[in-house]
Amino acid sequence: EAGVTQSPTHLIKTRGQQATLRCSPISGHTSVYWYQQALGLGLQFLLWYDEGEERNRGNFPPRFSGRQFPNYSSELNVNALELEDSALYLCASSFGARYNEQFFGPGTRLTVL
Amino acid sequence: GIQVEQSPPDLILQEGANSTLRCNFSDSVNNLQWFHQNPWGQLINLFYIPSGTKQNGRLSATTVATERYSLLYISSSQTTDSGVYFCAPHSGAGSYQLTFGKGTKLSVIP
Repeated sequence: EAGVTQSPTHLIKTRGQQATLRCSPISGHTSVYWYQQALGLGLQFLLWYDEGEERNRGNFPPRFSGRQFPNYSSELNVNALELEDSALYLCASSFGARYNEQFFGPGTRLTVL
Repeated sequence: GIQVEQSPPDLILQEGANSTLRCNFSDSVNNLQWFHQNPWGQLINLFYIPSGTKQNGRLSATTVATERYSLLYISSSQTTDSGVYFCAPHSGAGSYQLTFGKGTKLSVIP
């Protein structure tokens, strides 16, 4: 069974540009979570999607947004990139909401120059 | 929100040694996961353990939810065990995201 996949693996952008990151959950999983791992800040929760709806977001500005498609895949958009957005972005999926086990993809490493 | 503290922050072991990693959390939790982050950044699931004890090969974990801590035991460590270990409880009622501790960086030397 395929795990969570993310694309691209690496992404290099300049300040002010927009970045789009993609995530495909494990087959049968309907919840997708996004996390940011920035140097020195640890792993922080960004966004949670379930059944196509945004259910919760972490303490991040509105320029971090995303959506979940009918096939439960998801994309994360970061507008007006800033240098401090450079980080590893990890996507996780779980079977439904509630306190089910989350499985992570390999991540997208975003570098903002 | 819930606070998660992991100790020790860094640990250096000789190959073959045993270790115990601790995770304290500030509030009651509905579930808790342990992960190993490899050098490429991938988070590998180790345990999904709301309470009690589970074992998987050389690794085992115990969560005592009433006392708000979890322990990860690594026996007969190998160099491939090196990396960062994270504890992540599920935050609370209605919030199903994980809250991560700062991790324990383990280095196993031959």
